[in-house]
Amino acid sequence: GAVVSQHPSWVICKSGTSVKIECRSLDFQATTMFWYRQFPKQSLMLMATSNEGSKATYEQGVEKDKFLINHASLTLSTLTVTSAHPEDSSFYICSATGLDWETQYFGPGTRLLVL
Amino acid sequence: QKEVEQDPGPLSVPEGAIVSLNCTYSNSAFQYFMWYRQYSRKGPELLMYTYSSGNKEDGRFTAQVDKSSKYISLFIRDSQPSDSATYLCAMKIGGGADGLTFGKGTHLIIQP
Repeated sequence: GAVVSQHPSWVICKSGTSVKIECRSLDFQATTMFWYRQFPKQSLMLMATSNEGSKATYEQGVEKDKFLINHASLTLSTLTVTSAHPEDSSFYICSATGLDWETQYFGPGTRLLVL
Repeated sequence: QKEVEQDPGPLSVPEGAIVSLNCTYSNSAFQYFMWYRQYSRKGPELLMYTYSSGNKEDGRFTAQVDKSSKYISLFIRDSQPSDSATYLCAMKIGGGADGLTFGKGTHLIIQP
């Protein structure tokens, strides 16, 4: 149980375009979802926290107008990278908690390459 | 100084050896400590979850937390080639649904 999926698993896009990444909890209701980013040889860094039906809370230094997060249902959160630039190329990974809020279940991640 | 320090390795040990992985941290407010295992191109998988100082054992895995030293460890007994992966330490301050602060991860290789 407690499976989290992400789609797509990898994406290549041109600079200036927008990219949407989906995060789904497949077998539980995710009251809270998190988005992390990982650059090569760096640690996973928390970008934002979202609760279903509420606005996301962004970490310091993360542009909320660039990284749009929508958590419209208890099983789906989306991250849209708007006007992507090469420096946004990274590994984006989501996690979710359900009733067992102590445990975060991670998706497999999405590799984004902006050309 | 980064909040969580973890040696990225690689750490290579022979099969059957006891593996010791560790992290140090600077924020004394951290109360909850986790170890995740991550295989290549996969998401992290929770291995151990501990609160405050002390030891916790689960099968071949033992997690230790020493809050006075701001030091956490993960021990793997009877290591297997299938244990080869990246091991991430993570921690958080509150007990609710809070985001995690991660170390960089240690790349572990178990030689058959």
